[in-house]
Amino acid sequence: NAGVTQTPKFRVLKTGQSMTLLCAQDMNHEYMYWYRQDPGMGLRLIHYSVGEGTTAKGEVPDGYNVSRLKKQNFLLGLESAAPSQTSVYFCASSSSGGSYEQYFGPGTRLTVT
Amino acid sequence: AQRVTQPEKLLSVFKGAPVELKCNYSYSGSPELFWYVQYSRQRLQLLLRHISRESIKGFTADLNKGETSFHLKKPFAQEEDSAMYYCAPAAYSGAGSYQLTFGKGTKLSVIP
Repeated sequence: NAGVTQTPKFRVLKTGQSMTLLCAQDMNHEYMYWYRQDPGMGLRLIHYSVGEGTTAKGEVPDGYNVSRLKKQNFLLGLESAAPSQTSVYFCASSSSGGSYEQYFGPGTRLTVT
Repeated sequence: AQRVTQPEKLLSVFKGAPVELKCNYSYSGSPELFWYVQYSRQRLQLLLRHISRESIKGFTADLNKGETSFHLKKPFAQEEDSAMYYCAPAAYSGAGSYQLTFGKGTKLSVIP
């Protein structure tokens, strides 16, 4: 099992460009999450999904969109990148909410110049 | 608003010394509580959860509802414990889902 994988690992964008980050999990988990981590900050939830075809906003959703067309994939889109979106992005999945463990991907380091 | 505070950014202890990583939370209701850990060049992973009452790698965490704290403790630190530790309460956010709120983290450095 690969667990949770993220594509790409690194990316540099110019202000105004768009891109999509892909998260894939092979554990048949219902829940998936996108977080961002900035220096000196904890992880902050951007968006999450409680099942295929559903998405919901987290703590910092502005400037991002997500889609969950397939259960195993959760896409994070930046339509018009801004320098404030320079961060490390982590995807996670869990079999359910509550006391269930979240499994994390290795992260994507995004720089917006 | 839900808040979680880890007051120490960096904690250095000598090998064999006791360790206590502090976590205080401000939540309505009764959140479920977790500690996550990130070792160098590894993914963030679950260390322990309150509901399991477990001890993982010698670490335990006691919930003090009166003080709203969930401090992580280990009686004798080992070099391999050096890592970044995050306290993460989970609160119900509706529609059957819970959200984790991560603290800013404490970097534990164990000195040989």
